[in-house]
Amino acid sequence: QLQLQESGPGLVKPSETLSLTCTVSGGSISSSSYFWGWIRQPPGKGLEWIGSVYYSGSTYYSPSLKSRVTISVDTSKNQISLKLSSVTAADMAMYYCARHRGISPLRAFDYWGQGTLVTVSS
Amino acid sequence: QSVLTQPPSVSGAPGQRVTISCTGSSSNFGGGYDVHWYQQLPGTAPKLLIYGDSNRPSGVPDRFSGSKSGTSASLAITGLQAEDEAIYYCQSYDNILSASVFGGGTKLTVL
Repeated sequence: QLQLQESGPGLVKPSETLSLTCTVSGGSISSSSYFWGWIRQPPGKGLEWIGSVYYSGSTYYSPSLKSRVTISVDTSKNQISLKLSSVTAADMAMYYCARHRGISPLRAFDYWGQGTLVTVSS
Repeated sequence: QSVLTQPPSVSGAPGQRVTISCTGSSSNFGGGYDVHWYQQLPGTAPKLLIYGDSNRPSGVPDRFSGSKSGTSASLAITGLQAEDEAIYYCQSYDNILSASVFGGGTKLTVL
């Protein structure tokens, strides 16, 4: 059974860079069959797509976050990473990694991690 | 404000049928892109319920069904159960925003 697990600091200072890792088990991110994505959810609010990546490194980012986001893959560790720079209180959210149901970033997300809560505070 | 509009809340009694609407435009699923639906139970990650407008992943009960017509999409739940109480989100791709977008979510209350 495919499992995704987010990890990283739960507290980030304003203006610093948020760095999260998603470790995939039960399957290989090197499979040519899937895109992988990051989604976030501020407390009590809705879902926001951040971006998606293919195992080759090809990426698609939300235009509203593109200037601050980097998503990458480490196939040797079976991990996907997210970096978000210059964070503010508006970036405080539960961050989820998820798998697209196919080789397009337009496909639905069929497997999700449990999420990791990131607080932005000095 | 999302480009996909959902009602904030719907409710129904056990055993009843409820529908949750998602209104889009020609730049997203009205223009041919797929619409997907997710269920988020309290304190948990979203779960895929419907993909590609009307397809159910393995393990999702057939009480859940999806449909799409023009710029409107709907999620229908029949035989409502207490465990269906959750927030439901629609999702599609918007070619003006060049982004995957989610609706604002609809909270389903089982009376």
